[in-house]
Amino acid sequence: KAGVTQTPRYLIKTRGQQVTLSCSPISGHRSVSWYQQTPGQGLQFLFEYFSETQRNKGNFPGRFSGRQFSNSRSEMNVSTLELGDSALYLCASQGLAGTEQFFGPGTRLTVL
Amino acid sequence: GESVGLHLPTLSVQEGDNSIINCAYSNSASDYFIWYKQESGKGPQFIIDIRSNMDKRQGQRVTVLLNKTVKHLSLQIAATQPGDSAVYFCAENNNGTASKLTFGTGTRLQVTL
Repeated sequence: KAGVTQTPRYLIKTRGQQVTLSCSPISGHRSVSWYQQTPGQGLQFLFEYFSETQRNKGNFPGRFSGRQFSNSRSEMNVSTLELGDSALYLCASQGLAGTEQFFGPGTRLTVL
Repeated sequence: GESVGLHLPTLSVQEGDNSIINCAYSNSASDYFIWYKQESGKGPQFIIDIRSNMDKRQGQRVTVLLNKTVKHLSLQIAATQPGDSAVYFCAENNNGTASKLTFGTGTRLQVTL
C-alpha cells in the first residue's frame, strides 16, 4: 500500500508570490490534514479536509487555504508569501477509524 | 538532512540502555495522546497512542505512561538502538481522534555506541 505522497518536495519562492502544494493520501483514506513545521513554532495544525469539506481549521491567516478533490487528493495554497512562511509543510492522511495519522515526507518551502 | 528544531532538548543514551522521554501538556480536556518519531528528512511516524481512560499502554519495546493529575506523558524505549535516534514528539487533542493535533516541542534522542 503506497504511503502519503507530497509534491513537490522542495520549492523556492520569493516574497509576494503564491504557492500550491499537493498531497495524495493513502488509498481509501478520506481525511487529509496539513501541518506547518518550523524550528521556532514546531508543528502547527493548519486545516483538515474530509470528503471535500474543511472539517477543522487551525489559527492561520486567510492567506493559507486548502481544498480537497473527489479522489481525496488535497492541495494547500499560500498567497502573498512572507519570509516567515518558510517551513516544512506536512500532509497527513487518516482512515475512518479516526486514529493514527500517516504523514507524508513534507514539502520544504523556502521564501526569499 | 533537515533540522526539525534548532534548540530542542536532547537526550543522550547509550545503546542498550532504556530511554525515557517526557512531555507536559496543558489542556486538561485532552483525551487522546500520541507519540511520534521524526527522522531527518521524513515526516513524523506514529509510535504509540493512549486514551485518557488509561494510564499505561505497551507496544513493542515502547511504553507510554499518562499521568492526568499532573498532565504529564512519558515514552519509555527499552534497549535503545541506534535506529531510535530521532526527534520525538508528543501530540494531544480533545476529540478522541488524530484530527487537529497539538504537538509538543519535541525531544532529540541521540543514541551513542
